Amino acid sequence: DAGVIQSPRHEVTEMGQEVTLRCKPISGHNSLFWYRQTMMRGLELLIYFNNNVPIDDSGMPEDRFSAKMPNASFSTLKIQPSEPRDSAVYFCASSSTRGSRSGHDEQFFGPGTRLTVL
Amino acid sequence: QKEVEQNSGPLSVPEGAIASLNCTYSDRGSQSFFWYRQYSGKSPELIMFIYSNGDKEDGRFTAQLNKASQYVSLLIRDSQPSDSATYLCAVNSAGNQFYFGTGTSLTVIP
Repeated sequence: DAGVIQSPRHEVTEMGQEVTLRCKPISGHNSLFWYRQTMMRGLELLIYFNNNVPIDDSGMPEDRFSAKMPNASFSTLKIQPSEPRDSAVYFCASSSTRGSRSGHDEQFFGPGTRLTVL
Repeated sequence: QKEVEQNSGPLSVPEGAIASLNCTYSDRGSQSFFWYRQYSGKSPELIMFIYSNGDKEDGRFTAQLNKASQYVSLLIRDSQPSDSATYLCAVNSAGNQFYFGTGTSLTVIP
């Protein structure tokens, strides 16, 4: 398996522009997570999906952020309009809850998208 | 209070020594606990997980869990320069939510 795939790997944009980050989870995984990582705040969970349904979006910072998972193999995280404080590395991770005692098995992370908003 | 707390370090140990990384969590109902390693510029990768009280060993790594004290640790024996990275503690809480600590930076000095 190719692992979790994210695109783009790097994105530089200007304040006010729309940014769309993409993620393809590992085939067969039924949970997908979006994280944001900064030096100051560490790794923050933004939203997670289970079986394509958003379960918890309490980490989404504001209405400028939205996420979708139209099918089991694709998810997007959109920021509109973007602001300089959104600059961070955004990770997508996937896991499988099937057969897991805890309800969540280990998460496999994608390579991340480094976003810079000027 | 944060859900998961780690000492940010940096922690420096000489090559061959034992590195001890610590983590505390706030949700007493948490069920599963993970240690991830993250090299600079890379994504986190799982190195250990533990569900039950006590110790779990995997090669040079030992995870220790004490649910009564809400404490989980990671010991790295015979530390190598290649172990230099940031180590993230993660907890799956009773509400089935996943929380990461901010990480501890470890440097192994040759």
